[in-house]
Amino acid sequence: GQQLNQSPQSMFIQEGEDVSMNCTSSSIFNTWLWYKQDPGEGPVLLIALYKAGELTSNGRLTAQFGITRKDSFLNISASIPSDVGIYFCAGLGFNAGNMLTFGGGTRLMVKP
Amino acid sequence: DSGVTQTPKHLITATGQRVTLRCSPRSGDLSVYWYQQSLDQGLQFLIQYYNGEERAKGNILERFSAQQFPDLHSELNLSSLELGDSALYFCASSVRLAAAYNEQFFGPGTRLTVL
Repeated sequence: GQQLNQSPQSMFIQEGEDVSMNCTSSSIFNTWLWYKQDPGEGPVLLIALYKAGELTSNGRLTAQFGITRKDSFLNISASIPSDVGIYFCAGLGFNAGNMLTFGGGTRLMVKP
Repeated sequence: DSGVTQTPKHLITATGQRVTLRCSPRSGDLSVYWYQQSLDQGLQFLIQYYNGEERAKGNILERFSAQQFPDLHSELNLSSLELGDSALYFCASSVRLAAAYNEQFFGPGTRLTVL
């Protein structure tokens, strides 16, 4: 089945630093999504990307849908302690209905 | 708060047992999804229901089953439990069933521990 490779698996950074994480796939997706999961909570949608090449921002977050439709990245600028959590990419394939395939997650830790 | 509720929050049981997890979708959402999140497998889609009917199946074991009731709440039944079934189980809901993506809102999850 479809798989998403997300990297890095974890990051430990200083407050104020920028962060970058990405997802790649061997399959084409028609929608890329980025979620954040806080401890004890379910994932919350951060950014949705619908077109190849699309670059979308949400506050300090910026994500791009790769031109090949097989990759996406998420950048967080000027990280703050509340950015701590697990970030997941997810893809929706063609003819997949509303079924999401998730990446393995990037655990972000921010040192004040 | 996503508006999706799940009960119970925690569940501890023994191998071989059967449990039922419950999910109430957001008001107005017709579609319900179940996901399993384990340490080694990440978030895996299990099954989707739309307005009471099964619409999509993912990596769901035969020991697991689900249903969506007329009031749109859903239950996930896990039977003959094994140690490896220990995981977080999430329910998500969305407004409708469509070819294009419509946002799924996740509940807080049920943590199942099988001893």
